[in-house]
Amino acid sequence: GENVEQHPSTLSVQEGDSAVIKCTYSDSASNYFPWYKQELGKGPQLIIDIRSNVGEKKDQRIAVTLNKTAKHFSLHITETQPEDSAVYFCAASNGAAGNKLTFGGGTRVLVKP
Amino acid sequence: NAGVTQTPKFQVLKTGQSMTLQCAQDMNHEYMSWYRQDPGMGLRLIHYSVGAGITDQGEVPNGYNVSRSTTEDFPLRLLSAAPSQTSVYFCASSRLQTGELFFGEGSRLTVL
Repeated sequence: GENVEQHPSTLSVQEGDSAVIKCTYSDSASNYFPWYKQELGKGPQLIIDIRSNVGEKKDQRIAVTLNKTAKHFSLHITETQPEDSAVYFCAASNGAAGNKLTFGGGTRVLVKP
Repeated sequence: NAGVTQTPKFQVLKTGQSMTLQCAQDMNHEYMSWYRQDPGMGLRLIHYSVGAGITDQGEVPNGYNVSRSTTEDFPLRLLSAAPSQTSVYFCASSRLQTGELFFGEGSRLTVL
């Protein structure tokens, strides 16, 4: 089955700096790569996603890049703010069984004011 | 607009007891799933369903049962609770193919 590795497990940045989280996946058939943000005591929420026919996608201060050849994808957050502090999860799916997502281990991001 | 509703939010069990975690969604989603979240291990899929009457195993199904008699409900049953099942459980739903997965707020289970 699919295996998704996520690094780093924790990330501390100064407010205004950029944050980058990287994920690798094992199943070459995976074609959908979402990112979720989880705030304390809440369920994860989708923040951005990318499909395999696209190399990069941007939404305001967040962007995701995908390298299918190397089987890795990354989340970039620019101009970080304290409200960006949360746990972030990457995930991958090949669409073969509904919306069955395999998640990475998560990255705890702390933005210091 | 309730979305995905999980009950209970907190539960303490003794080893060997059984219980059911409830999940209901009001978005007419075909796909429903249960994940468990443990520190450092991300979210691991327990069971999932692509429609009423259809369920399948995920990555960590042992010790858990599910059923899907309606589109709206997807309960998770712990048959004989073990301390290794202490975790936070999330129910999630979506349209059938890839797209946004909507999560409930989680159920924190402690097995003593």
